[in-house]
Amino acid sequence: AQSVAQPEDQVNVAEGNPLTVKCTYSVSGNPYLFWYVQYPNRGLQFLLKYITGDNLVKGSYGFEAEFNKSQTSFHLKKPSALVSDSALYFCAVRDTGNTPLVFGKGTRLSVIA
Amino acid sequence: NAGVTQTPKFQVLKTGQSMTLQCAQDMNHNSMYWYRQDPGMGLRLIYYSASEGTTDKGEVPNGYNVSRLNKREFSLRLESAAPSQTSVYFCASTQAGGQSQPQHFGDGTRLSIL
Repeated sequence: AQSVAQPEDQVNVAEGNPLTVKCTYSVSGNPYLFWYVQYPNRGLQFLLKYITGDNLVKGSYGFEAEFNKSQTSFHLKKPSALVSDSALYFCAVRDTGNTPLVFGKGTRLSVIA
Repeated sequence: NAGVTQTPKFQVLKTGQSMTLQCAQDMNHNSMYWYRQDPGMGLRLIYYSASEGTTDKGEVPNGYNVSRLNKREFSLRLESAAPSQTSVYFCASTQAGGQSQPQHFGDGTRLSIL
């Protein structure tokens, strides 16, 4: 069975500093990995995905994520955080079957001016 | 582009009442999903429909039923609402060949059961 862990419920970072939101996964085969962001009273918005190829994936709003197969991790990063990045972030995974995404419990990011 | 549209946006029910949550997508997607979001629990899959005419149970299906009315519409029904079903419900869809494709989400239905 596939699963996702986001070990931090909350991440606080100062504006302008780099940010990292952690995600580890477990799947039986090759993973398809996704990051989503949720703003208050809205649905989840797709940020980026890893399917295959380069381990560093670039996505929307300046976010990127690094896939590490040996550590089964897919951490979300941004070089310089903005106050407007404050939101709830979800990591999700599916295996190569036609199965629904499995989501982590989410990490709340607060960027402080 | 409307994307995924959910109605209603808010609803308050009394215990035992029934309710149908509506979801429609205009992206010609094959697969559709219903999730519930509770604080500290992330998103949990209730039911999904891999294609028109099929439905399957997810992680937390008890107390719910679904109908894939056509390719565009996927409804979620609470036959006898319970306070434990107070939650935010999200509908999502994915296009064909969906393993590598992201799911697109609606803005949710906030449901309170008194």
